Amino acid sequence: GAGVSQSPRYKVAKRGQDVALRCDPISGHVSLFWYQQALGQGPEFLTYFQNEAQLDKSGLPSDRFFAERPEGSVSTLKIQRTQQEDSAVYLCASSHLGVEWNTIYFGEGSWLTVV
Amino acid sequence: AQRVTQPEKLLSVFKGAPVELKCNYSYSGSPELFWYVQYSRQRLQLLLRHISRESIKGFTADLNKGETSFHLKKPFAQEEDSAMYYCALRGGSYIPTFGRGTSLIVHP
Repeated sequence: GAGVSQSPRYKVAKRGQDVALRCDPISGHVSLFWYQQALGQGPEFLTYFQNEAQLDKSGLPSDRFFAERPEGSVSTLKIQRTQQEDSAVYLCASSHLGVEWNTIYFGEGSWLTVV
Repeated sequence: AQRVTQPEKLLSVFKGAPVELKCNYSYSGSPELFWYVQYSRQRLQLLLRHISRESIKGFTADLNKGETSFHLKKPFAQEEDSAMYYCALRGGSYIPTFGRGTSLIVHP
């Protein structure tokens, strides 16, 4: 595909339910980022992968949040026992390493509503 | 720690008026600064970055290290400039930090 692809685009979960959000980065992009964007706020960093290695997970708000990228391409962000405060847009982004590494390409986001 | 502050949540101007979207940052080293834009129903995309010293869609931004600012400017706003604008900083790591965004509305 031409850009970063995320699915599902919209998810309504009941409180306590587990959810999984998928990100397909641009082919060949080494770096992958997850951000959380609450209503009226800017994107907040969650976690960063370089290939399959999760180099930084300092932004994950609790141990209910888990991310993986087992083969260095597709990534999944999992949220266990969802709470209302988890309602947000979850953005995935990818970039090259190298000369153009400072250009980060975003997906359209997965909109999560916890009811 | 790195921080980005966008003091205005909303900026409303008329077509043809000058625009300045403010961005201040906090970082002890030499940062990379970016402006991202999100048009209605579209994804967040890079508008410009300070190292390129470029003008995109008539927008420019100059890094002022003394004032720790990276304000986005355009001399004559167009209706199609209406969007959310996010200032972002990358310091010593690969990871950009974003401001909360400013909504620009350009009235006809």
